[in-house]
Amino acid sequence: GIQVEQSPPDLILQEGANSTLRCNFSDSVNNLQWFHQNPWGQLINLFYIPSGTKQNGRLSATTVATERYSLLYISSSQTTDSGVYFCAATRPTGNQFYFGTGTSLTVIP
Amino acid sequence: NAGVTQTPKFQVLKTGQSMTLQCAQDMNHEYMSWYRQDPGMGLRLIHYSVGAGITDQGEVPNGYNVSRSTTEDFPLRLLSAAPSQTSVYFCASSYDRRIGGYTFGSGTRLTVV
Repeated sequence: GIQVEQSPPDLILQEGANSTLRCNFSDSVNNLQWFHQNPWGQLINLFYIPSGTKQNGRLSATTVATERYSLLYISSSQTTDSGVYFCAATRPTGNQFYFGTGTSLTVIP
Repeated sequence: NAGVTQTPKFQVLKTGQSMTLQCAQDMNHEYMSWYRQDPGMGLRLIHYSVGAGITDQGEVPNGYNVSRSTTEDFPLRLLSAAPSQTSVYFCASSYDRRIGGYTFGSGTRLTVV
């Protein structure tokens, strides 16, 4: 399958700070998505971003498919941003999503 | 509109027992899938379905069976539970996996003793 590496594995921020999370892929991918798992375990889809840049409020994501990476930007972080952020993608011709091991974010008031 | 409903939320099994984890969605999504989440390993795909009557194996299918008789339901069966199947299980659905918009259930925490 595809190897999906996320960095950093853990991140602690002061409320109001900005951060960048990175996702690297071992091979060409399609259907790249970012997810947030809150401290109660619920998984929420943040972005579907196979290429280019998208923004949703304080969050934005950029995927450079030719260089096999994607970035998730969080600006003016809030305590409610805490949790684990996952990226996932499929092979160009496949149906299976491969997840990274996640970045655990803690935002301190 | 309930989204994706998983039952039960918690379950303890003895080694060798069998059980079915239920997953139902009311969004008329074609694509449904089951994942397990283990500490430090992210989510791994067990089985998935692209429509009623069609299922396929994911990354870690051994010890699990699925069926998709209706668009709404996608149950996961553990045939003979083993301690290695202790995990948190998530069901997800999407109207098209290529477009995204994944919706996850709230998860089932399974412990096999």
